Amino acid sequence: SAVISQKPSRDICQRGTSLTIQCQVDSQVTMMFWYRQQPGQSLTLIATANQGSEATYESGFVIDKFPISRPNLTFSTLTVSNMSPEDSSIYLCSVIAPRNEQYFGPGTRLTVT
Amino acid sequence: DAKTTQPPSMDCAEGRAANLPCNHSTISGNEYVYWYRQIHSQGPQYIIHGLKNNETNEMASLIITEDRKSSTLILPHATLRDTAVYYCIVRVVDQAGTALIFGKGTTLSVSS
Repeated sequence: SAVISQKPSRDICQRGTSLTIQCQVDSQVTMMFWYRQQPGQSLTLIATANQGSEATYESGFVIDKFPISRPNLTFSTLTVSNMSPEDSSIYLCSVIAPRNEQYFGPGTRLTVT
Repeated sequence: DAKTTQPPSMDCAEGRAANLPCNHSTISGNEYVYWYRQIHSQGPQYIIHGLKNNETNEMASLIITEDRKSSTLILPHATLRDTAVYYCIVRVVDQAGTALIFGKGTTLSVSS
C-alpha cells in the first residue's frame, strides 16, 4: 500500500487568490493524479502528474488555472489559481502502487468566499 | 461517459449481508472491475478488484458473472461503519497506469 498525506487539510480563501496544495507519498511512485470533488458530487480527474514532464490535463481543466509540479517520485503540488466560489471543493491526490491498486490522500477541503 | 451502472441508493440492516450490484455490459477483455468506497469526508478506499474470477479478501467478496457484464460486491456482515458511497469502476491495468474514472456510485445506508 501507499500512505499519502496532503497539506493543508482545509482552508478558507478569498476570491482572486491562489492556494497551493501539497501531496506527499511514503514511497516512490510513477503515477500521481489530482482529483476534484465538488459538493455532493463524485470525483473528477483533473490531471496526471508526470515526474520530469508536463502534467496531462483532462478536458475542462487547464494549466493556467491548475498548475501542477512533480519535482520527484514522492511529491507533487496542485495550485488553484485566481479562485472563485465555484472552486470550492475537496481536492484529492492519488497514486498507483506497484500492484496497480490506486490509493487516495485524505483530501484538502477548500472554501472560497 | 461512465462505463458502469449502479443503483443510486440501497439500505441494509446491520449484521445482514449487503449485496451491491453493478452493470458493465460494455466491458473489454482487458478491463478489470474495481470497487472503492468513500466514507463521508474521507478519500476513497480500495476494497477489491477482479478480472473474471470471483475474489474474496478481508473486507468483501466480488462475484463477476461468466459473461463479465455485471458484478456484485458482497459485504457479508454489514456494520454501521460500512455506510458509505460505493463505486464500481472498470479500468484497464497496463504499464502506463490509467487513472480511475468515477461514476455516481451507490449510497449504502446501514441501519441498526
